[in-house]
Amino acid sequence: EPEVTQTPSHQVTQMGQEVILRCVPISNHLYFYWYRQILGQKVEFLVSFYNNEISEKSEIFDDQFSVERPDGSNFTLKIRSTKLEDSAMYFCANARGRDTEAFFGQGTRLTVV
Amino acid sequence: EDQVTQSPEALRLQEGESSSLNCSYTVSGLRGLFWYRQDPGKGPEFLFTLYSAGEEKEKERLKATLTKKESFLHITAPKPEDSATYLCAGYGSSNTGKLIFGQGTTLQVKP
Repeated sequence: EPEVTQTPSHQVTQMGQEVILRCVPISNHLYFYWYRQILGQKVEFLVSFYNNEISEKSEIFDDQFSVERPDGSNFTLKIRSTKLEDSAMYFCANARGRDTEAFFGQGTRLTVV
Repeated sequence: EDQVTQSPEALRLQEGESSSLNCSYTVSGLRGLFWYRQDPGKGPEFLFTLYSAGEEKEKERLKATLTKKESFLHITAPKPEDSATYLCAGYGSSNTGKLIFGQGTTLQVKP
């Protein structure tokens, strides 16, 4: 099965600090997503990204969040000023097409203290 | 509002005891229904995609089916290694690949 790689696996940060979560996508899979899962809750959609632009974002994805592919390869999620409620597992997902299965990374556990 | 609901929330089976997990959806213009397996502390692992009512997919002890309102994941003669949380997700008319997830069914198979 194709593999999406996420780093770091665990990040602890002080409230108000910036964090960048990174994802190495699958070759030729051009649709990118970030999801998050607060402990014990559903997996929630954050943002979809295709052709170097955001195609859809959720209400959670406010001005504190941004995404980019800085080197045309890796895909990143930046949280500018973290809040306690941002503590969650963040998953990067990658798909070949809009209608095809998305493959998920193993996640970054973000803990804001 | 698009919604996916799974039942039961938790299921305990004895090894070899077959059962079914349910996923009810109200997703506008459903374009695909996905099943994933999630182990504790890990990312969802893709199992099946179903695109139209009546479609069925099988993989080892798992079989997924789709109707116009719900999907079932049938587990035949489960083994302890099948213990995990099974997630159902719908993809609808947003046309961006956005998945709407259910809350999952946590399956425990005892030897």
